Amino acid sequence: GQSLEQPSEVTAVEGAIVQINCTYQTSGFYGLSWYQQHDGGAPTFLSYNGLDGLEETGRFSSFLSRSDSYGYLLLQELQMKDSASYFCAVLESSARQLTFGSGTQLTVLP
Amino acid sequence: EPEVTQTPSHQVTQMGQEVILRCVPISNHLYFYWYRQILGQKVEFLVSFYNNEISEKSEIFDDQFSVERPDGSNFTLKIRSTKLEDSAMYFCASSERWGQVIATNEKLFFGSGTQLSVL
Repeated sequence: GQSLEQPSEVTAVEGAIVQINCTYQTSGFYGLSWYQQHDGGAPTFLSYNGLDGLEETGRFSSFLSRSDSYGYLLLQELQMKDSASYFCAVLESSARQLTFGSGTQLTVLP
Repeated sequence: EPEVTQTPSHQVTQMGQEVILRCVPISNHLYFYWYRQILGQKVEFLVSFYNNEISEKSEIFDDQFSVERPDGSNFTLKIRSTKLEDSAMYFCASSERWGQVIATNEKLFFGSGTQLSVL
């Protein structure tokens, strides 16, 4: 089976930088994705890492270390609208499915 | 940007009744999925569908559940006899490809969900 660990809550202020970590245990690891969800709405894709290293998309970056079974999502220049739940999700090579972590509730304070 | 659409947005049903949740995936996508999320919990995989058949299913997806692609555009999830614990937000998703190139951006597009309440 798979397991993913991420913090349940993170709080930061506007303009700050926050890092949300994710560790995983899975067989046949293929890649790590990050999704954002506002108030139970549709999860929306943020980033994907198939290879080790950093992927940057605007204010958001994601990092993967396959040898450490670890990744993180970095959010810079935080804005109030970034308050949401952030899920890491593992893709397995053997299965056409995403397995989601339990999510990190990010609260951005003024 | 193209989007996945789901209907209805809310569905209330009595325990033991059948419900059908409907989804229109993005038109050029080949892979289709149903996920669910119980309030305050994580998004859980139910089933994936490709080439008119189920590719994968989770333990949640028991004999009470079925999926169908009745025509070229719709993708449905049927719950034959609903239980109280089926109350959740059900998300449909689609993707263009799956697991073909490891470095490639693998991205699922989710619909806005159907909130199912079983009374």
